[in-house]
Amino acid sequence: GAVVSQHPSRVICKSGTSVKIECRSLDFQATTMFWYRQFPKQSLMLMATSNEGSKATYEQGVEKDKFLINHASLTLSTLTVTSAHPEDSSFYICSARWTYNEQFFGPGTRLTVL
Amino acid sequence: AQKVTQAQTEISVVEKEDVTLDCVYETRDTTYYLFWYKQPPSGELVFLIRRNSFDEQNEISGRYSWNFQKSTSSFNFTITASQVVDSAVYFCALSEPTGNQFYFGTGTSLTVIP
Repeated sequence: GAVVSQHPSRVICKSGTSVKIECRSLDFQATTMFWYRQFPKQSLMLMATSNEGSKATYEQGVEKDKFLINHASLTLSTLTVTSAHPEDSSFYICSARWTYNEQFFGPGTRLTVL
Repeated sequence: AQKVTQAQTEISVVEKEDVTLDCVYETRDTTYYLFWYKQPPSGELVFLIRRNSFDEQNEISGRYSWNFQKSTSSFNFTITASQVVDSAVYFCALSEPTGNQFYFGTGTSLTVIP
């Protein structure tokens, strides 16, 4: 199957700093990518849908100024957590849509904010 | 509204036992897709199966089998002769026809005891 990578896999930062997470589709072009958030022992919750060349669509309750998404190319979407706080600590997973109704998930990024 | 329910939060079985993970879904769409994913402790989602709403045939893949029953809106997953490596969290998910939105269940944590 298609491969999606995320970088970094793990990041620890101080409160108040910004963190950028990259999501890349390695062997296919993805016009649409998705960002999910998963708290410990909980399910994945969709945060936003990222479309190449246009603004991301955020789910209700997700602060767009807090979680900046940029989908500048067909193989790269980035999520920047601005002014991170401990409550932003979570597991962030991206996925890329390959074909109609098929998404491939990245390995996830574990963010810890001290 | 779309919804996926995995009533079993945690299951423990002894190695070589069979185990069935339940998944019940709700949707108003006549066309939809159902998925199962495995999430080991590393966090990466491992795709197991995709089934579209028009294909009610049960599927077997090695020790894994899936029972799709539209009449009861269920898509259950059975592991035969469980192994320790099967220990993980398993998510059932529902996708709408456009593939833009994935609805994940809350997951079932399976522990296989040697």
